[in-house]
Amino acid sequence: GNSVTQMEGPVTLSEEAFLTINCTYTATGYPSLFWYVQYPGEGLQLLLKATKADDKGSNKGFEATYRKETTSFHLEKGSVQVSDSAVYFCALPNTGNQFYFGTGTSLTVIP
Amino acid sequence: GAGVSQSPRYKVAKRGQDVALRCDPISGHVSLFWYQQALGQGPEFLTYFQNEAQLDKSGLPSDRFFAERPEGSVSTLKIQRTQQEDSAVYLCASSQGLAGEWTGELFFGEGSRLTVL
Repeated sequence: GNSVTQMEGPVTLSEEAFLTINCTYTATGYPSLFWYVQYPGEGLQLLLKATKADDKGSNKGFEATYRKETTSFHLEKGSVQVSDSAVYFCALPNTGNQFYFGTGTSLTVIP
Repeated sequence: GAGVSQSPRYKVAKRGQDVALRCDPISGHVSLFWYQQALGQGPEFLTYFQNEAQLDKSGLPSDRFFAERPEGSVSTLKIQRTQQEDSAVYLCASSQGLAGEWTGELFFGEGSRLTVL
């Protein structure tokens, strides 16, 4: 089935630093790819998505490009803020009705 | 409310007790999912409902786990004779689209944290 491999954390950055969280996928065909975020004390929420190869998803200053050549969907942000501290999950649809999530990468941004 | 609501938020059970976890999805959402999230891990699929029909229960770890959605809205996940390995956060998610139409997003509740002593 489809799966993702996500960069392990935790990641600690200073405010305004550049962020990259790596995600590579294994899939049949070209399914949509997603990044979900879980802020402290909150439920998972969709951060961004890309529905086909070469698409770029973006939201709240975060970007990720669906690259079929490298089977990657890395999450990037040019200047992180303290409020970006959260756990980030790469995800994609799996066989049948399932949705496969990576193990999550915890990000802490310090002032 | 506007979002997915889960209750209880926290549940402590003694080994062997039965527990019931409730999910109230966003009104009108056809699809409902239950996921299990162990500490430090990503959510793992348990089961999927399309309206009141349970179309996929392949992720339920044992026959002690049972889920229902009798009227196609509120869902209950029941765990019988709880074991320590059942300790996890149980997440409910709903979606307006049907599973298989994966351009849409899942809306998650805050989860129910189960601790089995």
